[in-house]
Amino acid sequence: GAVVSQHPSRVICKSGTSVKIECRSLDFQATTMFWYRQFPKKSLMLMATSNEGSKATYEQGVEKDKFLINHASLTLSTLTVTSAHPEDSSFYICSGFGGRKNEQFFGPGTRLTVL
Amino acid sequence: DQQVKQNSPSLSVQEGRISILNCDYTNSMFDYFLWYKKYPAEGPTFLISISSIKDKNEDGRFTVFLNKSAKHLSLHIVPSQPGDSAVYFCAASAGTASKLTFGTGTRLQVTL
Repeated sequence: GAVVSQHPSRVICKSGTSVKIECRSLDFQATTMFWYRQFPKKSLMLMATSNEGSKATYEQGVEKDKFLINHASLTLSTLTVTSAHPEDSSFYICSGFGGRKNEQFFGPGTRLTVL
Repeated sequence: DQQVKQNSPSLSVQEGRISILNCDYTNSMFDYFLWYKKYPAEGPTFLISISSIKDKNEDGRFTVFLNKSAKHLSLHIVPSQPGDSAVYFCAASAGTASKLTFGTGTRLQVTL
């Protein structure tokens, strides 16, 4: 299957700082990328949908000014958690939609810990 | 409002036996269903999918059954292997290119 990478895999930051997470589709062009969040022992919750070259569509309850999403190219989307707080600590997973069979391929996730 | 539910948080099955994981959904707009396998601190790995025009799809040891009238789908793994031990999520979407709604997951433990 197609490969999606995320960087960093793990990040620890102080409260009030901003953190950027990159999501790259390595061997296919992802016209659409999705950002999910998973709390411990919970389901994956969709945060936003981003299409290359346009503004992201956020799910209800997700603050767009706090979680900035940029889909700069067909292979790169970034999620910036601004002014992070401890409650933002979570596992963030991206996925890219595309490939030969038009499927969603997930990245390995990024563990964010805000102290 | 949990539109996709997996009512069994965990399941233990002996190696070689059949594992059956269940999933129910409420949104009648969903017409595409997927199963993912996930290990801790990793992203989900796609296993198998089914479109609402079918009631069964098979891929090796994995078979997904869809009962549209009951809004229910299940994943059968046979024979189960220790390497199948993971958390399994079902997901649904309205269209193949749409966002996915995930269930809460079922932790499968395959014992020797």
